[in-house]
Amino acid sequence: GDSVTQMEGPVTLSEEAFLTINCTYTATGYPSLFWYVQYPGEGLQLLLKATKADDKGSNKGFEATYRKETTSFHLEKGSVQVSDSAVYFCALSGAQKLVFGQGTRLTINP
Amino acid sequence: DSGVTQTPKHLITATGQRVTLRCSPRSGDLSVYWYQQSLDQGLQFLIQYYNGEERAKGNILERFSAQQFPDLHSELNLSSLELGDSALYFCASSLAGQGATEAFFGQGTRLTVV
Repeated sequence: GDSVTQMEGPVTLSEEAFLTINCTYTATGYPSLFWYVQYPGEGLQLLLKATKADDKGSNKGFEATYRKETTSFHLEKGSVQVSDSAVYFCALSGAQKLVFGQGTRLTINP
Repeated sequence: DSGVTQTPKHLITATGQRVTLRCSPRSGDLSVYWYQQSLDQGLQFLIQYYNGEERAKGNILERFSAQQFPDLHSELNLSSLELGDSALYFCASSLAGQGATEAFFGQGTRLTVV
């Protein structure tokens, strides 16, 4: 079945560091791919998405490129801020539902 | 604000009891999804409804049931509660039913079973 694998956390970085959170997927067909973010005490918010191969999703300085050849959708940001501290979920659109990775907890220290 | 409303925000109840969680989807969305988020298990898909009909089922226990009403709001019923049912329960909605598009999540209901 469809599945998503994220790099294990937690991840701790200093402010202004470069961020990469790895995500790979297994799916039949050509799913859409998403990154969601969950801030403390809140629900999940859609951060960015890509609907076909080679698409790049971007939002709030975050980027991810849909790579069909490596079945990956890694999340990157050039310079993180304390306010980026949250849990990040990679997801794909399965036949009937979104399939989520386990989440990666990111902490940014000032 | 995602437009998805969940009530209540917090719920504390005893083992063996039954509770009902409520979700109002975004205006115009026909699909409602329920997810359970435990500390160590990430997001587990429970069930999906589309325009009043059950569309997909995940790892939902037999003690749990759900329905979607004609006005498209949904309820998740949890019965014979156990300590292990303590978790965050999220509702999400999307426009599509066949093939998931992005979903919009509510703030969740935190259930504590004591």
